[in-house]
Amino acid sequence: QVRLVESGGGLVKPGGSLRLSCAASGFTFSDYYMSWIRQAPGKGLEWVLYISSNGDTIYYADSVKGRFTISRDNAKSSVYLQMNSLRAEDTAVYYCAGEKRYLLAFDIWGQGTMVTVSS
Amino acid sequence: ETVLTQSPGTLSLSPGERATLSCRASQSVTSSNLAWYQQRRGQAPRLLIFGASSRASGTPDRFSGGGSGTEFTLTISRLEPEDFAVYYCHRYGGSWAFGQGTKVEIK
Repeated sequence: QVRLVESGGGLVKPGGSLRLSCAASGFTFSDYYMSWIRQAPGKGLEWVLYISSNGDTIYYADSVKGRFTISRDNAKSSVYLQMNSLRAEDTAVYYCAGEKRYLLAFDIWGQGTMVTVSS
Repeated sequence: ETVLTQSPGTLSLSPGERATLSCRASQSVTSSNLAWYQQRRGQAPRLLIFGASSRASGTPDRFSGGGSGTEFTLTISRLEPEDFAVYYCHRYGGSWAFGQGTKVEIK
């Protein structure tokens, strides 16, 4: 079945780094644009980063520009989120989400992985 | 930067009642870029409506979306127990903004 599975979350100190992975299965990954979306505890959704199907277009939220990067490996059906210079306000559940090309909405979501930034 | 404001913050209704959720944009949004998501407690969000009014695969027909420009609505014609959840509108592209959410709770 169609699945996105995130991994790599955990506890990290302020200023530290973490790399999240999202593995896709059950659909043609290279047909999908991918995003990372986060949700701080008890809060709403915040879009963070987008990468096009072949990786040549990337968009960042201002809140993570210069600190987070997104990449993908279509051969491995995976998308990645490299997070550097982490801050307490980056604490959140991080979801990867996929958009079938041209849908202009996220039609596939992972279950999320929790990132806690604390000393 | 487009900001989406949802109202009300909380909607208290009984099963079988009609729910009307509002999403107001600070600037005009192309309808094709407006989506609605449902998030049940402890779960990931799920796409309900895309293109302002098109139901996603698996979305029951009691859900309908409408509106244009700066005013969009999500209507649930008759609430089922599984519909009590938080709903978010979202502008795809540009600011990529989500609204702050409307919680539909059991009265």
